[in-house]
Parts: sequence; C-alpha cells; structure tokens
Amino acid sequence: QSALTQPPSASGSPGQSITISCTGTSSDVGGYNYVSWFQQHPGKAPKLMIYEVSKRPSGVPDRFSGSKSGNTASLTVSGLQAEDEGDYYCSSYAGSNNVVFGGGTKLTVV
Amino acid sequence: QVQLQESGPGLVKPSETLSLTCSVSGYSISSGLYWGWIRQPPGKGLEWIGSVYRSGSTYYNPSLKSRVIVSLDTSRNQFSLKLTSVTAADMAVYYCASGIVIPTSRFDYWGQGILVTVSS
Repeated sequence: QSALTQPPSASGSPGQSITISCTGTSSDVGGYNYVSWFQQHPGKAPKLMIYEVSKRPSGVPDRFSGSKSGNTASLTVSGLQAEDEGDYYCSSYAGSNNVVFGGGTKLTVV
Repeated sequence: QVQLQESGPGLVKPSETLSLTCSVSGYSISSGLYWGWIRQPPGKGLEWIGSVYRSGSTYYNPSLKSRVIVSLDTSRNQFSLKLTSVTAADMAVYYCASGIVIPTSRFDYWGQGILVTVSS
C-alpha cells in the first residue's frame, strides 16, 4: 500500500487561509467518505481535527474545515493563528479493513 | 474522559520481539471502539500498525501483518502489541490510539507515545 500524498510544507501569515491537500486513489480517498485529519505539535501525540471528510470533533475550532473532490481531500485553516503551526496528517480508509496515512505537511505561520 | 498510556521496554535487540502495553482509563475497552497502535519513525510520518475491536477481531496493516499481534486484556482494561523479528526499520515512537477506526480511520484518543530503539 502507498501512503497518501501531501505537500511537505505549507505556510501562511496570521489571519490568512491555507489549504493542505491529500491525494490518494479511487481505492482509498476517492472510494470512501472516510478521511480524517490530525494536527501534531513537536513532541506531542497527534490530535483529531476532522473526521469523515468534513466533520469536526467537539472542541475543534470552526476555523478548521475539510472537503473532498475525487481522489483528493483538503484541509482548510482559516484565520491562521500562531498556535496552528505544526504537522498535519491525513488518513483514509483503504478498503479491506485497512487504514493509510499521508506523509504529513509541515505548516508554518510566518 | 478516555486516557491511554503506553508502557514497555524502550530498547529491543534486532531479531527479537517488541512488546508494548496500553493501559486505558475512563472507558471500558469491552464497551466498544477499536484499540490499536500507530508508529512514527523519528522525523517521519505516521503508520497504522493494527487495531482490535472489543469482540477480539483484529485488523492489521498488510505490510506488517505477518509480524504483528494486537490483543485485548479486558480484565486489566489494557491492550497490547507484539511485533516480531524487529530490525532498525522498526525504531519509532509507538502510539496507542482508539476510535471508530474501521472503517472511518478516526482515531479520537491517543497515548503520549513511547520511543522504541532497536539496537544490540
């Protein structure tokens, strides 16, 4: 199985919006509405930010939103804040009871 | 609130078996959810290893399936990971995590992680 493809890095200024992509295939991202996004700060465990493409767990700011088109899912962070800096990972169900992660994107707030 | 805590040796010799335990508080593992393991090599991305459901049914990453066992210990409210024949490539921070993993790939709860080094 191949990891989902994410850009290695992304950056934006405070207050701006940034979108991170997660590209898979019709066997994973494109085949199911089961994409999750995780935020990870250095030395910390990942935190669930989005599940089932666009749903937010309780406590996650509505500045974070998710979407999907074809084989590509996207995470958009609006009104960037310094605390949003970190690594972001997508995951997807890949069929046959299998889960695959993306390679991660380092978000910098400049 | 569901809390997870990994424990186990931080150093494993090549060709030996890596064994980790995850202790759960705030939720009975026999009540539901999937319980499993994700690893992250230093400076690299996340990799799902496998998960077990409350029924005992197991689900594994195909690339690791031949070397992995994830199991529940409901009497202790713990679950465990065994990874056999380890090599340097298995050196990573190992996280225990739970959620509605199959099929949603949703991991709601995470342990803090434990670094496992593979070295003689």
